[in-house]
Order: sequence, then structure tokens, then C-alpha cells
Amino acid sequence: GAVVSQHPSWVICKSGTSVKIECRSLDFQATTMFWYRQFPKQSLMLMATSNEGSKATYEQGVEKDKFLINHASLTLSTLTVTSAHPEDSSFYICSARGALAGVLNYEQYFGPGTRLTVT
Amino acid sequence: AQSVTQLDSHVSVSEGTPVLLRCNYSSSYSPSLFWYVQHPNKGLQLLLKYTSAATLVKGINGFEAEFKKSETSFHLTKPSAHMSDAAEYFCVVRRMDSSYKLIFGSGTRLLVRP
Repeated sequence: GAVVSQHPSWVICKSGTSVKIECRSLDFQATTMFWYRQFPKQSLMLMATSNEGSKATYEQGVEKDKFLINHASLTLSTLTVTSAHPEDSSFYICSARGALAGVLNYEQYFGPGTRLTVT
Repeated sequence: AQSVTQLDSHVSVSEGTPVLLRCNYSSSYSPSLFWYVQHPNKGLQLLLKYTSAATLVKGINGFEAEFKKSETSFHLTKPSAHMSDAAEYFCVVRRMDSSYKLIFGSGTRLLVRP
């Protein structure tokens, strides 16, 4: 149980275009999803927290107009990188927590990540 | 504020020898601590977690960690390294406020020599 998927696993886009990354909880209801960014050889940095049905909360320094987050259902959150530029190239990882077998669980379960390359 | 410090950016061991990855934490409260492993271009896998139960925590793949309050440490160990253990390891503390956010250490890259 507690499986989180991401799609796509990797994407290449041209500078100035937008790209959407999906994060799905496959076997549990994710009341909260987190989006992280990881530059090469660095640690994970939390970008934003999204609760189902409400606006995302962004960490300091993260542009909310550039990184659009939608958490419209209990199993899906999306991150859209708008007007992408080469400096947005990174590994994006989502995690989710919520209710497993009807019991609220505070553990975060991580997706496999999405490699974004902007040319 | 809570934080974790991973004392080594790289650790190199020979296959079959013990592994020690060091982590110190800072927390005003009894923390929830985790170790995650990340293989190249992969997501994170939870190795083990400490949540104020037994101070010696056993995880997957032969890893274990000991919570030492007097030393504010949560070091990760394994008696015998395997080539497949080569990866990036993250020590993580969970915030004790209502956000339950995770705070990641800077990571330790484990290299295993044949």
C-alpha cells in the first residue's frame, strides 16, 4: 500500500513553454501533497504544500505564478511549470500523506520523481 | 527550529565492511527522525524511522540507526556493505507543528568499492 506515482518520469521542453507534472496516490486518499525540487548532487527543497480543495502554500522564495499547483482531488495533484527556462531544469519529486485504510497517517510517501530538462 | 546535519558529504567503504553515516539533529522536542535512500535518478525509499519508541531502530536491507538523545545523534549503520548500497542517503526530521513538513539533511553519498 501507499504508492505514489508521477507522470511523466522525464520530460524535455523548449524554453518559454509550459509543462505539467502529475502526482497520483494510487491506493490511498492524499489529503496533503508536497512538491520538492532537487538540483543535481543536492538535497530536496520543499517548494509547496497543497491540501485537497484549497490553494497551495508556497515556501519562501518560490514563485507561485511560475509553479502552479492544483490539488483538485484526493488522488491527484499537478505542478505546472509555466514559461519554463533552462534554470528550471531539475528533478521534481512529490510526496503525499493522508488516510490509509480509513486511518489518518502523517507519513509522507514519495513518488519516483520527474526529470525536467528545458532547452 | 528543527534541523539535521549530515556530517559527511561522501563516505567510501569496501564491500563487506561496515557502514557508518552520521547525522546530528537539533530539536526542542522529541523528534521524529528518518533515513531515506535515493539511487541515481530515482525517488526516495524509506529505510527506517524513529518515533520515540525503541532507541535502536531496524530498517530494511540490514540498516539500523540508534537514537542517542545525549549526543543528539541518529547515525545509520550496516554491518557489511553491499555494492547495491551505493546511493545517496538523507537524514530527515519531521517538524513538530501542524504542518508535519520534512526537513532534509544535505545528504551523504555512499560509495562502495569492490
